[in-house]
Amino acid sequence: GENVEQHPSTLSVQEGDSAVIKCTYSDSASNYFPWYKQELGKGPQLIIDIRSNVGEKKDQRIAVTLNKTAKHFSLHITETQPEDSAVYFCAASFSSNTGKLIFGQGTTLQVKP
Amino acid sequence: GAVVSQHPSRVICKSGTSVKIECRSLDFQATTMFWYRQFPKQSLMLMATSNEGSKATYEQGVEKDKFLINHASLTLSTLTVTSAHPEDSSFYICSAELAGVNNEQFFGPGTRLTVL
Repeated sequence: GENVEQHPSTLSVQEGDSAVIKCTYSDSASNYFPWYKQELGKGPQLIIDIRSNVGEKKDQRIAVTLNKTAKHFSLHITETQPEDSAVYFCAASFSSNTGKLIFGQGTTLQVKP
Repeated sequence: GAVVSQHPSRVICKSGTSVKIECRSLDFQATTMFWYRQFPKQSLMLMATSNEGSKATYEQGVEKDKFLINHASLTLSTLTVTSAHPEDSSFYICSAELAGVNNEQFFGPGTRLTVL
């Protein structure tokens, strides 16, 4: 079945460094790829998303890249800050166009001051 | 914009009782809402898709008679956990899909259910 693999499961960086989280998906028909940030005890918050008709999207310190041929997409956070510490989830849309999303396993990002 | 609320945020109940969780889209209409369950340190697991005015679609392995879903309006979906047991204790999160914008979902803050 459809699957999304996310790596790494944990990531620790120094404040100011960059962080990269990678995901691969199995369904070549997936066309929507959001990233969510989840803080402890809270619901996921959409931070950036990309659709299959573009290869890269930026929003200030956050960027997402998509390689449809290789079926992988990545989240890039530059100039990390302690408040970026959280769990990050990637997701990919189901091919059946039901609006359903398949989530990756999550990455716990720790930014050390 | 695109705010989703859930109520209650926390609930503790005795085994065998039923618990209702509400999910509301506050500033937009959502023809489709989704219900997820999240266990500690794990990812979100989709339980069901809730469509306004029609029956919910449940994922494989999710008992529809145990997790009752009602989506009576374009801004409200409810999840009722019937005859709750300790193994139902989890973090339940809903999301609402922005009407007309395929796949874009906004999540509620979650409901922590503890069954004693």
